[in-house]
Amino acid sequence: GAVVSQHPSWVICKSGTSVKIECRSLDFQATTMFWYRQFPKQSLMLMATSNEGSKATYEQGVEKDKFLINHASLTLSTLTVTSAHPEDSSFYICSARDGLTSGNTIYFGEGSWLTVV
Amino acid sequence: DAKTTQPTSMDCAEGRAANLPCNHSTISGNEYVYWYRQIHSQGPQYIIHGLKNNETNEMASLIITEDRKSSTLILPHATLRDTAVYYCIVRASGGSNYKLTFGKGTLLTVNP
Repeated sequence: GAVVSQHPSWVICKSGTSVKIECRSLDFQATTMFWYRQFPKQSLMLMATSNEGSKATYEQGVEKDKFLINHASLTLSTLTVTSAHPEDSSFYICSARDGLTSGNTIYFGEGSWLTVV
Repeated sequence: DAKTTQPTSMDCAEGRAANLPCNHSTISGNEYVYWYRQIHSQGPQYIIHGLKNNETNEMASLIITEDRKSSTLILPHATLRDTAVYYCIVRASGGSNYKLTFGKGTLLTVNP
């Protein structure tokens, strides 16, 4: 299947700083990308949907000024956690839609572990 | 998107077929059935999807009932590495909303 890559795989940052996570579709163009967050022993929670060249659509309860999403190209989306706090520590996962497959299959990245200390 | 119901957990012996059921009784005509799995501490992995016909690929088979109200994912020869949480998700293919909403899934444990 198609490959979606995230970087970094894990990051530790100090409270109050910002951290950026990149999501790339390596072998297909992704018009739409999604960002999820997953806490231990819980399911994935969708944070936002981003379409290339336009502003992201955030799910209810997700602060758009805290979780900045940029989708500047068809193969790259970034999530920036601004002024991170320990409660933002989580597993962040991106996914990308391959519009050329039947059913518009969505592929996921490997995930990024964020620990805020 | 239609809601799905899956058992919380299942066990399977290594080398045997694993049959994971999913109920989606409110599925609409334009909604696909997708299956993903998540191995611990990794991103979800796409397995297979279908609309109304049975589907097979190198990973699994998907059997969808004629009324489309339920489906079964079949891993023909389960290995220890197939231990994961399996998610059945129903989603429309067209329109502006392609997002996948995850439920709690089924934890499949493959035993030696």
